[in-house]
Amino acid sequence: DAGVIQSPRHEVTEMGQEVTLRCKPISGHDYLFWYRQTMMRGLELLIYFNNNVPIDDSGMPEDRFSAKMPNASFSTLKIQPSEPRDSAVYFCASSLGSTAATNEKLFFGSGTQLSVL
Amino acid sequence: DAKTTQPTSMDCAEGRAANLPCNHSTISGNEYVYWYRQIHSQGPQYIIHGLKNNETNEMASLIITEDRKSSTLILPHATLRDTAVYYCIVRPSYGQNFVFGPGTRLSVLP
Repeated sequence: DAGVIQSPRHEVTEMGQEVTLRCKPISGHDYLFWYRQTMMRGLELLIYFNNNVPIDDSGMPEDRFSAKMPNASFSTLKIQPSEPRDSAVYFCASSLGSTAATNEKLFFGSGTQLSVL
Repeated sequence: DAKTTQPTSMDCAEGRAANLPCNHSTISGNEYVYWYRQIHSQGPQYIIHGLKNNETNEMASLIITEDRKSSTLILPHATLRDTAVYYCIVRPSYGQNFVFGPGTRLSVLP
């Protein structure tokens, strides 16, 4: 398996534009997570899905952020409109089963470096 | 959630063992200790995890004290490629989430 695949690797956009980040989880994994990493706040969980259903989106900063998972092999994180403070690295991760289970591990993608000018 | 405390940074000479401590004094009986690391510009990578027994795999060893209030990740022969931020995480028994703290920045020096 190629691992968790994210695209694009880098995204530069102007304030006010819509940004869409993409993620393909590892085949067979039924949990998918979106994290954001900044120098100030470190790694923060934004939202996670189980079997394509959003379970916890309490980490989504505001209504400008939305995430979807239309099928088991694809998820998007959309920011509309984007703002400079959204500049960060966004990671997608997947796991085989519930991370409440005792032996689950997260597998991370390489991330998307987003710069909003 | 059980909180973890780690030193901000550490240095280690190449070829020597790197011992990274983690304090988790409020850990609950059914919570596991996980270690991840993040090499610059990459996503975090799983290293090892354990409940109360010491664990070893091809990457590292995990030593958990008998009272479970602290643990140590050991990289037996550190290389330059082990330079990374190392995160110690105690996973909430009721949660679905891994909560990452600031971690320890390990620099392996030639």
